[in-house]
Amino acid sequence: KAGVTQTPRYLIKTRGQQVTLSCSPISGHRSVSWYQQTPGQGLQFLFEYFSETQRNKGNFPGRFSGRQFSNSRSEMNVSTLELGDSALYLCASSPDRGTDTQYFGPGTRLTVL
Amino acid sequence: DQQVKQNSPSLSVQEGRISILNCDYTNSMFDYFLWYKKYPAEGPTFLISISSIKDKNEDGRFTVFLNKSAKHLSLHIVPSQPGDSAVYFCAASATGANNLFFGTGTRLTVIP
Repeated sequence: KAGVTQTPRYLIKTRGQQVTLSCSPISGHRSVSWYQQTPGQGLQFLFEYFSETQRNKGNFPGRFSGRQFSNSRSEMNVSTLELGDSALYLCASSPDRGTDTQYFGPGTRLTVL
Repeated sequence: DQQVKQNSPSLSVQEGRISILNCDYTNSMFDYFLWYKKYPAEGPTFLISISSIKDKNEDGRFTVFLNKSAKHLSLHIVPSQPGDSAVYFCAASATGANNLFFGTGTRLTVIP
């Protein structure tokens, strides 16, 4: 089976712009979660989508949003980018909700100038 | 508030010896624990997991031990190999919640 794929792998934006990142889960996986990794805060949970609905949300401002499509693919959007949004954004998928192992994609490295 | 802690930022071990990576957690609702291995600029790779109903799980060279009363888990790698050099993260979650709480990671270096 193909793993989790994320596009683009690298992105450079300027402050105030918005960005959309894409994630395709492992085939058959229905839950998609997003995480942010920064040197200062480590790996932090952003949100989880299951059956096209956001099921859980981490402690991030409303500028961070996402959605999931009927084929389980997911996108996340960050509006009005700030310098502090520079990070590695990771997507993870699991077969279902609950105590299923989450499998991660390679991430999208976002740099905000 | 760091609910999952890895107090050792780094660990060096000789090839062939045992590597022991430790992790502590504070939230008693956590009932599923995982270890991931990560290289720079890549996503975490799943290694091994354990449910709170068990106290040990083995997969090849990797064994995870869980001590619920101490809220402590450890990952043993035997024998350690140079290819094991990476950053290791422990993570925890609670039933019904699909968000993982990660530790800050331990950088393992296996010396040939």
